[in-house]
Amino acid sequence: NAGVTQTPKFRVLKTGQSMTLLCAQDMNHEYMYWYRQDPGMGLRLIHYSVGEGTTAKGEVPDGYNVSRLKKQNFLLGLESAAPSQTSVYFCASSNLYEQYFGPGTRLTVT
Amino acid sequence: RKEVEQDPGPFNVPEGATVAFNCTYSNSASQSFFWYRQDCRKEPKLLMSVYSSGNEDGRFTAQLNRASQYISLLIRDSKLSDSATYLCVVNNPWSGAGSYQLTFGKGTKLSVIP
Repeated sequence: NAGVTQTPKFRVLKTGQSMTLLCAQDMNHEYMYWYRQDPGMGLRLIHYSVGEGTTAKGEVPDGYNVSRLKKQNFLLGLESAAPSQTSVYFCASSNLYEQYFGPGTRLTVT
Repeated sequence: RKEVEQDPGPFNVPEGATVAFNCTYSNSASQSFFWYRQDCRKEPKLLMSVYSSGNEDGRFTAQLNRASQYISLLIRDSKLSDSATYLCVVNNPWSGAGSYQLTFGKGTKLSVIP
């Protein structure tokens, strides 16, 4: 089992560009989450999903969109990247409270 | 008041030392508590759950005090491999039904020195 995988691992964007981060899990988990982690800020929840076809806003959703068309995949989109979105993005999945994290995507917006 | 507060450290301790981390949480309705470990430039991983009666896993002991809304983690006989950031985590009872959302503290950094 690969667990939770994320692509890409690294990305550099220019302000205004768009991109999609892909998260995939092979544990048949119902719940999936996208977080960002910034120095001194800890992990903050962007969006989450409680099942295929559902999404909901977390603590810091502005500037991001998500989709969960298949149970195993959770996509995070940045429509128009801003320097404030420079961060490390983690995806996680769970069936209960134990969340399993992917290795992260390091995104820099210049 | 922040939802989950931790001393950021760093805690620099010699090998073999005992070290304790503390955490306070603000939402008295929280029911589930955890410690996660995060190595440098890696993803967080569950270290242990925290139960009301206290629980131990090898060199690690976790305690919960619901009245004071306080959680602790004790590491005995520290190893070099224990160097990491330790995240205090509580469930978010006001999240959407069935979402099992968690609120993470900012973490306490531990460096074990030879």
